[in-house]
Amino acid sequence: AQSVTQLDSQVPVFEEAPVELRCNYSSSVSVYLFWYVQYPNQGLQLLLKYLSGSTLVKGINGFEAEFNKSQTSFHLRKPSVHISDTAEYFCAVSDLRTGRRALTFGSGTRLQVQP
Amino acid sequence: SAVISQKPSRDICQRGTSLTIQCQVDSQVTMMFWYRQQPGQSLTLIATANQGSEATYESGFVIDKFPISRPNLTFSTLTVSNMSPEDSSIYLCSAMTGQETQYFGPGTRLLVL
Repeated sequence: AQSVTQLDSQVPVFEEAPVELRCNYSSSVSVYLFWYVQYPNQGLQLLLKYLSGSTLVKGINGFEAEFNKSQTSFHLRKPSVHISDTAEYFCAVSDLRTGRRALTFGSGTRLQVQP
Repeated sequence: SAVISQKPSRDICQRGTSLTIQCQVDSQVTMMFWYRQQPGQSLTLIATANQGSEATYESGFVIDKFPISRPNLTFSTLTVSNMSPEDSSIYLCSAMTGQETQYFGPGTRLLVL
């Protein structure tokens, strides 16, 4: 079964600093990859996705992620964070081998942006 | 994309009772799912809601506890039956468009006393 590892449970960072949130998934030939953000007391909002094509994916709010097949990683980056980026971030994988299309989520990373 | 609404947004229930959560999508979607997010944790798939047939449940989840209906392509319900405090969670509905992307509802926050 597919598994997703988010290596950092919390990432504190100062405003305007760059940030990287790490995500690794278990080996698979074919996967779709997603990053979602959850603001306090809200549902999940899609940040970006990788389905195929260019391995560098750009999303909303200035976020981007790079798909690295050899390292089975999909790390999320932002060059300069804002206070409003404080939220929980989830990496998720859809394993195309199963045909189920359900998502397997990582445990989440809490990004805390400090002034 | 798809816009998803859920009702109720939150509820406080007594143990032993049941609660039905509704999920409405603003457009026809290919697949719908129900997830649970326990306090401070990630999301776990409960089941895939199949239109016109029985839902497909994940290991650890059973139909008697979490009956699901999906009468058409835009609507689904999840019932949490015979509730206990361990069922206190956020329950999220999601829908997948033809672009292989899942969009999530705002969630239903359930507290069982």
